[in-house]
Amino acid sequence: DQQVKQNSPSLSVQEGRISILNCDYTNSMFDYFLWYKKYPAEGPTFLISISSIKDKNEDGRFTVFLNKSAKHLSLHIVPSQPGDSAVYFCAATDGGTSYGKLTFGQGTILTVHP
Amino acid sequence: DAMVIQNPRYQVTQFGKPVTLSCSQTLNHNVMYWYQQKSSQAPKLLFHYYDKDFNNEADTPDNFQSRRPNTSFCFLDIRSPGLGDAAMYLCATSRQGYEPDFGPGTRLTVT
Repeated sequence: DQQVKQNSPSLSVQEGRISILNCDYTNSMFDYFLWYKKYPAEGPTFLISISSIKDKNEDGRFTVFLNKSAKHLSLHIVPSQPGDSAVYFCAATDGGTSYGKLTFGQGTILTVHP
Repeated sequence: DAMVIQNPRYQVTQFGKPVTLSCSQTLNHNVMYWYQQKSSQAPKLLFHYYDKDFNNEADTPDNFQSRRPNTSFCFLDIRSPGLGDAAMYLCATSRQGYEPDFGPGTRLTVT
């Protein structure tokens, strides 16, 4: 039972355009969502997060949108840069006593072409 | 720089031969986690420590054990590795559960 799903294994985008990565979840107890970026031979690096009390969070070129009724979140990268090429993981946790126990999606490989 | 360090980065072990992976952190975080990531799959939580309290996930095989002798160090012991245990093992830390920081991982090969 995969509680967090990233249905697009890969995404290819031209430099300067918008990248949109999608994530769906099934567990209604999840109330905090995170995006991590992973380069080859490195561990995941925290990128941006959003609490379920919000529907949008921005940090520079990165914006995360949350649609609780649809149990869907998305990460927008504008403008995309070649250095953004990496694997992006969506993760979720149910707060409370979960102490950061994350349930991950399978990841989306983003390739940004110059 | 404060960080999460994992040693070794690559580990080869034989089928059934016990192996230990190590993780250390300079962040002084009170929570430490071990995740297993098999090829093209999502990282999966094996267990975590909240301070000294050990918490095992329900579906973590008994073959996997962990030790946390102090705040800075955490070990993953695989008592009798099988071919199915070949994976990337990721250590992570957090302060009270917020936005965990990950180490670079140890890639385990079982021959």
